[in-house]
Parts: sequence; structure tokens; C-alpha cells
Amino acid sequence: DAEITQSPRHKITETGRQVTLACHQTWNHNNMFWYRQDLGHGLRLIHYSYGVQDTNKGEVSDGYSVSRSNTEDLPLTLESAASSQTSVYFCASSEGGNEQFFGPGTRLTVL
Amino acid sequence: GESVGLHLPTLSVQEGDNSIINCAYSNSASDYFIWYKQESGKGPQFIIDIRSNMDKRQGQRVTVLLNKTVKHLSLQIAATQPGDSAVYFCADSFNDYKLSFGAGTTVTVRA
Repeated sequence: DAEITQSPRHKITETGRQVTLACHQTWNHNNMFWYRQDLGHGLRLIHYSYGVQDTNKGEVSDGYSVSRSNTEDLPLTLESAASSQTSVYFCASSEGGNEQFFGPGTRLTVL
Repeated sequence: GESVGLHLPTLSVQEGDNSIINCAYSNSASDYFIWYKQESGKGPQFIIDIRSNMDKRQGQRVTVLLNKTVKHLSLQIAATQPGDSAVYFCADSFNDYKLSFGAGTTVTVRA
């Protein structure tokens, strides 16, 4: 069955380190999204992509970057991790409509 | 800021009763609305969606109502079950594939 996976599921890192969170989907969807989820804020859009080589900033993109070299993957990189980036991160994908399919999430702790 | 918000952060409901979860949105141009359910430790899961050319849509035990006049969206769950305990999010979209999420309502089902 087609699915969307995220790795790692849990990550602890130190302030200032570079961290990359992986997202892989097997639906062949063109649209992919990264969100962070914090208490009281719901899901906030970090970056999104509508296809290979396309990337766009969301509402909370500072300190994050993405790249889209193929259809299946949209890795999220924290260039220099900060404690404010401690959060749960969700990847999602969609195709042809607005319904997005979400991955299981990555819990990131920055010490 | 968020274009979609929920009226109440928590809702406690007796098993077997009907649940109503409310959501207000601010963008009168939004043309797509969706409800997600998120269980603890998991990613959001699609429940039901509705486009702005409709007022009501029914699924299995769920109904979404859209009132464009007052920019209000609601999710009704019939005969609430213990497995319905979760956080429920509404989201909207305007003319693209991005979703803007509200903060969520935590539903607790009492036995």
C-alpha cells in the first residue's frame, strides 16, 4: 500500500547543530508539505513544494530549508538548531485536490 | 496569523451522545474546508471535507455543516464512541493546495 513515512521518529540534538528530517511518500504525489505542531498553535506550515525543483516558504520558514530533487522525498533541514525549534514535525502530501495525507510525525528536542 | 479557529479548546461528551465541534474562519474567499482527527502520537487523519458550493455533507456517523454567511463550520459526530476521543482540527484553503489549520478541539468521551 502507498504510504508516507518520516524518519527519525524521535530526535534529540544540541543547539547549533544541523538536523535533517526525512519525508518519503510512495503515492507519487506532486504536492508535499512540512508542518510543525506546538501546543496552542495547531499545525503551522513551514515549507511546501508543488513538484520537483519547486519549493516555497510557509508562515514559519525562518531557520528551515527544504529541497525537492525527486517526487518521493522532501527533506527538511534545520541549519542551526535552536531551542525554539523543539516541536513535533509532520510531513504531508496531496495530489489533484486539497486533502492532505499526513505522516506519523517526528518529535524533535533541541537541548 | 491563522485564518481558522475553533470555538472551544476542549469538549467532554457522554458515550452515545452526539458531539458538535465548531470552527470559525475569517477568509470569506476560502473555498474548501476539511476536518481532521488526530489521536495521541499519530498524524492527523482525514474525516470529511466540503467545498464552498455546498452547505452540508454527510459521511459515516459524521456530518459537516458550512454556513458561509457567518463563516462558521461545524462537525457533528453521531453516537459518540470511546474511539472518537482525539483532537479535531478544522482547516480551510483558498484557491491553492495549502491548508490553514485552527488550534484544535480535544474531545473526551466519558463512559
